[in-house]
Amino acid sequence: QSALTQPPSASGSPGQSVTIFCTGTSRDVGLYNYVSWYQQHPGKAPKLMIYEVNKRPSGVPDRFSGSKSGNMASLTVSGLQADDEADYHCSSYAGTNTVLFGGGTKLTVL
Amino acid sequence: QVQLQESGPGLVKPSETLSLTCAVSGYSISSGYYWGWIRQPPGKGLEWIGTISRSGTTTYNPSLKTPVTISMDTSKNHFSLKLSSVTAADTAVYYCARAINLGSYTDYWGQGTLVTVSS
Repeated sequence: QSALTQPPSASGSPGQSVTIFCTGTSRDVGLYNYVSWYQQHPGKAPKLMIYEVNKRPSGVPDRFSGSKSGNMASLTVSGLQADDEADYHCSSYAGTNTVLFGGGTKLTVL
Repeated sequence: QVQLQESGPGLVKPSETLSLTCAVSGYSISSGYYWGWIRQPPGKGLEWIGTISRSGTTTYNPSLKTPVTISMDTSKNHFSLKLSSVTAADTAVYYCARAINLGSYTDYWGQGTLVTVSS
């Protein structure tokens, strides 16, 4: 099993939209609709933002949305705000009750 | 409100055993859900270690080089992690978390605890 692939960084200006991609394989992201995304501010624990590809937990703004196409999942943050600046991690079910994470993407709000 | 809190030594010597405990409050771990460990080496991404169910069924990351054991004590409402024969590569912030299912997303996390492997 290899980690999912994420770009190390992404950026956007306040009010803009940014999309972060997460690439897996046909054995994980491409096979299961169990992709999740976590937001992590410096020194803090990750926070669940999206689960099962495109579902938002209660309390997460609808500015955050998720989708998937083939072996690639994506997280879009619309109407960027200063507090959105954080690391974002994708995760996918990988079969036999195992989980894969991506390397994380640092989102900078310019 | 579900809360998780990791505890254990912050420094472990190479080749020794890393032991951490996660105390859960606000929910009885014997009632349901799944309970797991995830770690994050300094400056790197997250790595899933393993998960345990309320019945004690465990599943571990097959990519881990270090032998892992996750157990639970329902009388104390906590679960534990043991990594044997650790090396410097096991230095990381260790998080405990609640998972919806085996291999599923985690909705509650502990604050994390840094464990350094060094002589």
